[in-house]
Amino acid sequence: RKEVEQDPGPFNVPEGATVAFNCTYSNSASQSFFWYRQDCRKEPKLLMSVYSSGNEDGRFTAQLNRASQYISLLIRDSKLSDSATYLCVVNQGGGSEKLVFGKGTKLTVNP
Amino acid sequence: DGGITQSPKYLFRKEGQNVTLSCEQNLNHDAMYWYRQDPGQGLRLIYYSQIVNDFQKGDIAEGYSVSREKKESFPLTVTSAQKNPTAFYLCASMGTGRSGELFFGEGSRLTVL
Repeated sequence: RKEVEQDPGPFNVPEGATVAFNCTYSNSASQSFFWYRQDCRKEPKLLMSVYSSGNEDGRFTAQLNRASQYISLLIRDSKLSDSATYLCVVNQGGGSEKLVFGKGTKLTVNP
Repeated sequence: DGGITQSPKYLFRKEGQNVTLSCEQNLNHDAMYWYRQDPGQGLRLIYYSQIVNDFQKGDIAEGYSVSREKKESFPLTVTSAQKNPTAFYLCASMGTGRSGELFFGEGSRLTVL
């Protein structure tokens, strides 16, 4: 099983749609979890951290299920500007060097 | 403005040549990182440094070297020993106590001809 595995995508959705991305991780000792956004040929940028209780930031909701080793990102009312690749990132603990990146899921929002 | 500056953005190299990628930050971050990204792949850690004059190998350090003589600077040298150097290279930094919150430079795209 890969360390961090994401839906391969790509996802093509119309404006206004709700879209969900899934991510699973193999190391049960992983301590913290994040979603990053990467635009085409650009650097990744932190979108949001993922907390055990779930957290929401506007149209974006992140969930963590430690028992199932599963993380999700939900985007509601998607905008054209949401088109990007979304990277799931897991900190396996022990230090910042233990950040493991998923391959990313590409989202295209169409008019 | 605070941030991370990588240079050059694009670089072409002939086989057998070493090349050095620059990374400078003015965020006063202790930790700095170098990642490599290949098409359709996640980021893979090359080297990291958590303090000046100290650095550690990441998952794919072979064929690369780094130095950390100043807090602000973490250059990466891609040596001729690196078998597949063509890639997108990303430098990042992280503040103390901000585990997972990486700030990236705009990246350097290296092509070996």
